[in-house]
Amino acid sequence: QSALTQPPSASGSPGQSVTISCTGTSSDVGGYNYVSWYQQHPGKAPKLMIYEVTERPSGVPDRFSGSKSGNTASLTVSGLQAEDEADYYCSSYAGSNIGDVFGTGTKVTVL
Amino acid sequence: QVQLVQSGAEVKKPGASVKVSCGTSGYIFTIHSIHWVRQAPGQRLEWMGWISAGNGNTKYSQKFQGRVTFTRDKSASTAYMELSSLRSEDTAVYYCARAAGMVALDFWGQGTLVTVSS
Repeated sequence: QSALTQPPSASGSPGQSVTISCTGTSSDVGGYNYVSWYQQHPGKAPKLMIYEVTERPSGVPDRFSGSKSGNTASLTVSGLQAEDEADYYCSSYAGSNIGDVFGTGTKVTVL
Repeated sequence: QVQLVQSGAEVKKPGASVKVSCGTSGYIFTIHSIHWVRQAPGQRLEWMGWISAGNGNTKYSQKFQGRVTFTRDKSASTAYMELSSLRSEDTAVYYCARAAGMVALDFWGQGTLVTVSS
């Protein structure tokens, strides 16, 4: 199973918005509403930011939002803050034979 | 509060096996499955599979099938990941994580660095 495709990098100035894409196939992203997004700071464990495409766990700021269209899911970070600078990974369920799959990761830089 | 605490770093020779533990607290262990994810140095996250803490059912990524074994000890609220026939490419940080739902890993261990070197 190949990894989901994400852009290697994205950036924005404080207060701006940045959107990260996560492209899969009809067998994973497009086939299920089970897409999650994780934030990972250097040397730290990942943190769940979005699950089931659009849902935010308690404690995650509403500046983070998720969406999906066809085989591509997206994470938008609005009102960028310095602490949002991190790596972001998407993940999708890919059916009972495959299981889960992660994306290639996107490094977000706050300029 | 929910916590997942993993065992310490390991150094292994090629061909050996490694067993990583993931002790949990702060929730009912048998309700949630435990997933295992690894990350090679400077690389992306890689899903390895999961174990149901309740009934012990497992699902392994095809990449690791035959080389990885997940187990759990309900009495100790602890999950284990054993990877055999280690090679240099297995050098990575191995994470355990609690699943709140499908693909929703809401609490993570601190990670265990496994280094494979002759």
